[in-house]
Amino acid sequence: AQKITQTQPGMFVQEKEAVTLDCTYDTSDPSYGLFWYKQPSSGEMIFLIYQGSYDQQNATEGRYSLNFQKARKSANLVISASQLGDSAMYFCAMSEITGANNLFFGTGTRLTVIP
Amino acid sequence: DVKVTQSSRYLVKRTGEKVFLECVQDMDHENMFWYRQDPGLGLRLIYFSYDVKMKEKGDIPEGYSVSREKKERFSLILESASTNQTSMYLCASSFGTSGMKDTQYFGPGTRLTVL
Repeated sequence: AQKITQTQPGMFVQEKEAVTLDCTYDTSDPSYGLFWYKQPSSGEMIFLIYQGSYDQQNATEGRYSLNFQKARKSANLVISASQLGDSAMYFCAMSEITGANNLFFGTGTRLTVIP
Repeated sequence: DVKVTQSSRYLVKRTGEKVFLECVQDMDHENMFWYRQDPGLGLRLIYFSYDVKMKEKGDIPEGYSVSREKKERFSLILESASTNQTSMYLCASSFGTSGMKDTQYFGPGTRLTVL
């Protein structure tokens, strides 16, 4: 079974608007971590944000926030005030307490910001 | 700033050749990882290493081997390249001390084509 599911292969958003990228996960571990990475066309994966399964508050980093709904096993990334430079692939990933620091990645969502 | 470098951005090899992909990190990280990235499949873990001379198989180790003789350097070896190994290869490293919070930092990737 897929540990991370990203159901949106592609998304479009108007510049300055907010956009939500979906991510659901599957684990039986009581402790786990959720990550989002951005991959521009240059290829390098850039770490954006982290959420721990026991964190009480949703994680935020500048214009990025993580909408964590534990009961629904979802960890959606919200980008506010989209910029042209946000156009990229976005990957959701998960680490498990039993996983020896491995990350399980989803298939990614390609975000295009329209001027 | 964490710096992970990979020896080549683009590489073209012939079927049957032995191929070396080199990765170097400058942050004294314990863990290093090799992934391959294919469209629609996300990132898949080939091998990882949590210490010098230590290695663990990931999800798709067949056809690959690795070497970690020094802490900062992790090499991926294709013993006899085949066309189905044409892919983007990404190296990553992490501190290895933060458990499931351990953030992986990625290199720019090597796009390998096997003819």
